[in-house]
This record gives sequence, structure tokens and C-alpha cells, in this order.
Amino acid sequence: DAKTTQPTSMDCAEGRAANLPCNHSTISGNEYVYWYRQIHSQGPQYIIHGLKNNETNEMASLIITEDRKSSTLILPHATLRDTAVYYCIVRVNTGGFKTIFGAGTRLFVKA
Amino acid sequence: GAVVSQHPSWVICKSGTSVKIECRSLDFQATTMFWYRQFPKQSLMLMATSNEGSKATYEQGVEKDKFLINHASLTLSTLTVTSAHPEDSSFYICSARLLRQDTEAFFGQGTRLTVV
Repeated sequence: DAKTTQPTSMDCAEGRAANLPCNHSTISGNEYVYWYRQIHSQGPQYIIHGLKNNETNEMASLIITEDRKSSTLILPHATLRDTAVYYCIVRVNTGGFKTIFGAGTRLFVKA
Repeated sequence: GAVVSQHPSWVICKSGTSVKIECRSLDFQATTMFWYRQFPKQSLMLMATSNEGSKATYEQGVEKDKFLINHASLTLSTLTVTSAHPEDSSFYICSARLLRQDTEAFFGQGTRLTVV
């Protein structure tokens, strides 16, 4: 699986948009970009994934650059409950794919 | 989304004893389940891939005789930490994936193991 690079930590004001970047310059053509988050002492939670088009769901938006070498997860209106570690992962989407976690970004949402 | 449940949520055991952790997919069938370990302030480390009806595939550096994995049905995988030592104290997390190959894996809530 391709390696990803994320900032170690970020702060965001409550109610503002949180933009979490991820670099994946060695991504292969058949690899998807996945985002998960982990709130303290809980299991990871799936947020969103995409291949090359931008994606949006009830939790977040995913913006993938045209060359697919980087992406941004956007939480449109961050709340205190969004404080968590956010993991950006790239992997294939078929077969017995494994999810390999990097260090992630620790997002602090402040009142 | 689909629900994956782990039991117990936390356990304390004595050194030298064995402890079993269960991972269940509550509302779907999973041919593949994954086991992770997470130490404080660190990321999740994949330990093994559990396949229903066959032997688990362990990641490099993970002792298969110490971390026994059984995936006897499409809704249950178990991880047994044998002869536990204090250094095995960690947060253990499982995930499971629907039978269809293009779907997401869902994670359990984790099991905190403390070996004293």
C-alpha cells in the first residue's frame, strides 16, 4: 500500500471548517483514498473514501487533486466531538485488502 | 453502517494466563476479519488477517503461537493471547468486512487488556 504523509496535529475553532491534508504521491492507479478517525479509546470510524472524483457524505467532503497525489478531508462545521485522530489511507478496494494505518493527524477542535 | 462488537471491552489478567477476545459481526456475514493492536499514543498495528474456515495470516513479527486466532464462523473471530505478560497490555481492535469485495471494513470498539 502507498505511504501517506499527514501533519502531526491541527487545531480548529468550533463551527469552522476543518481541512485536513494528506499527501500520497506514490499512489497507484487502482488505489483508493480512505479516511478514518479514532476518538480516544474507541475503534476507528470510517468517514469517506474516493478514487479520483470528489466525494461528499453526511460527515465530510473529500477533495482529491487531479493528479491524485494529495487529498483534503473537509469537516464543514467542526464540533468538539470531532476532536480525534484522523487517518488517511490509500489501498486497493478488492480482495482481502488490509487497512494499514499511519500516524494520522490529531485534530483538536476548540470552543 | 454495519456493527462489529468486541467482548470484553476491558480485561485484567495475571501474568502467565491466557485471555480470549471475541469479535462478532452482528448484522452481516464476514469472510475476513482483521486484528490490530494499539499501544498508548501510537497508531494501530495490523497483527493478522483472519479468514473464515482457514488459518489466519500473520503480519511479520507477530508470534502466531502467542496470538491464536480462530475464525470458525462467518460472524465470529477470536483472538487468544496465550501466556500473557505485562508487555502484552494493549488496546486490541478487530474489524470485519462484508462478503462483497467492494465494501468498507467496520471496526469494533476495542478491548483494553491489562496484564498484571
